[in-house]
Amino acid sequence: AQSVTQLDSQVPVFEEAPVELRCNYSSSVSVYLFWYVQYPNQGLQLLLKYLSGSTLVESINGFEAEFNKSQTSFHLRKPSVHISDTAEYFCAVSRAGKSTFGDGTTLTVKP
Amino acid sequence: DTGVSQNPRHKITKRGQNVTFRCDPISEHNRLYWYRQTLGQGPEFLTYFQNEAQLEKSRLLSDRFSAERPKGSFSTLEIQRTEQGDSAMYLCASSLTSGGTDTQYFGPGTRLTVL
Repeated sequence: AQSVTQLDSQVPVFEEAPVELRCNYSSSVSVYLFWYVQYPNQGLQLLLKYLSGSTLVESINGFEAEFNKSQTSFHLRKPSVHISDTAEYFCAVSRAGKSTFGDGTTLTVKP
Repeated sequence: DTGVSQNPRHKITKRGQNVTFRCDPISEHNRLYWYRQTLGQGPEFLTYFQNEAQLEKSRLLSDRFSAERPKGSFSTLEIQRTEQGDSAMYLCASSLTSGGTDTQYFGPGTRLTVL
C-alpha cells in the first residue's frame, strides 16, 4: 500500500517570497513521484515528476522538487513566487499505474 | 494533441437518477483512469483500463458504478441510482506506458451535483 501526506493544508506567502510545500510518502516498493497543480474549476496539470536519475527535478515555471529517499519526502520549492502561482498543489505517488494523491496544499500568494 | 476531454463538464441530477459521463483520452494513449475528487481532498482512484481491459477497480467503486472502454479509445462512467454522497468532481486521465513509466494527463473533470 502507498500513501501521501501533505503536511500543510494552506500556505499563505507574499509575492516574490520563497515557498516550500511539503510532501511525505510511504510505500513498500519504489514509486514514481509527481506534483500537480489545479486551478479553480480545472483539472490537474502536471508540474514535475521524479522517475529516476537526478534527485532534483525542475519545472519550466521555476518550481523544483527534490526526492529524498531516506526521508521519504518530495518537497516542492520555488525561490520567488508570483500572484499567478496561487492554486491547489497535489503531491502523488504512482506504482503500476495507480496513483495515490495527498489532500493538497492551497498556496495563496498575496501582493 | 487536443488533450483529455470530458463531457459534460457539469451535471445536476436528482437522487435516484442514473448518470453517464464520457472521457476521450489523448489519442494513442493506451491507459485510461477514473478518479473522484471531493471538496478539500485529493483525487481518489476508482478504476483504470489498459486498452479495452479493465485492470483494477477500487473498493470505492460500488456496484452502482460501472465503467467501460469498449474499443480501447473513449470511456464511459455510469452511476446508477445516484445518492447525495456521489456529488463530486469525476476526473479522467490517460497515459502511454513506456519503459515502466506512466505519466498521467488529466481532463478538466465532470462536476456532479446530486440533489
